[in-house]
Amino acid sequence: NAGVMQNPRHLVRRRGQEARLRCSPMKGHSHVYWYRQLPEEGLKFMVYLQKENIIDESGMPKERFSAEFPKEGPSILRIQQVVRGDSAAYFCASSPGSLQGKSGQPQHFGDGTRLSIL
Amino acid sequence: SQQGEEDPQALSIQEGENATMNCSYKTSINNLQWYRQNSGRGLVHLILIRSNEREKHSGRLRVTLDTSKKSSSLLITASRAADTASYFCATVPNSGGSNYKLTFGKGTLLTVNP
Repeated sequence: NAGVMQNPRHLVRRRGQEARLRCSPMKGHSHVYWYRQLPEEGLKFMVYLQKENIIDESGMPKERFSAEFPKEGPSILRIQQVVRGDSAAYFCASSPGSLQGKSGQPQHFGDGTRLSIL
Repeated sequence: SQQGEEDPQALSIQEGENATMNCSYKTSINNLQWYRQNSGRGLVHLILIRSNEREKHSGRLRVTLDTSKKSSSLLITASRAADTASYFCATVPNSGGSNYKLTFGKGTLLTVNP
């Protein structure tokens, strides 16, 4: 299966701990997008990255959240000092190239990481 | 910020019937996309309609777009139990620099009863 791979599928953390969510894009894709989905809600854009660059992090909270997409390895969404309100499903999507200035290019989604904060 | 809003929130039909879901949005768009999400899974892209298009077909799916009313509809014909899922519309803004930023509605939960 050459789709977008996210792990873990489920992650349980206690308040104050750190959560690290990983995303391996589809083969040949170099652009990654992270979204958050709260219960009964649609997905909300968080951040757009390409290899070693953050292109747009306007949807990501300024504190405790960070994202990276290193030259080698998966993209990581990191949440420090988690709180109950961080409980959500976090989805990663990828595209083969930049979607900036282009239309008609769908994003390919992974199955998400469901984060639960105790 | 703009947001797609789907209507109805939930829809229950019998196998073989047609299902119609609507989406409204607030600002100018480049294109509108429909996605399906099965329970516990990620989103699957179904169909994309550009702002200069009025109707598009893909298999049993028919999408319409009315930019004057800022609304779109998704019709699934001859529904099957396997069509049971949540359906989301997502808009892409009409600004070339940020047309990667999908804005999703809250979705319509479709249940197709066998």
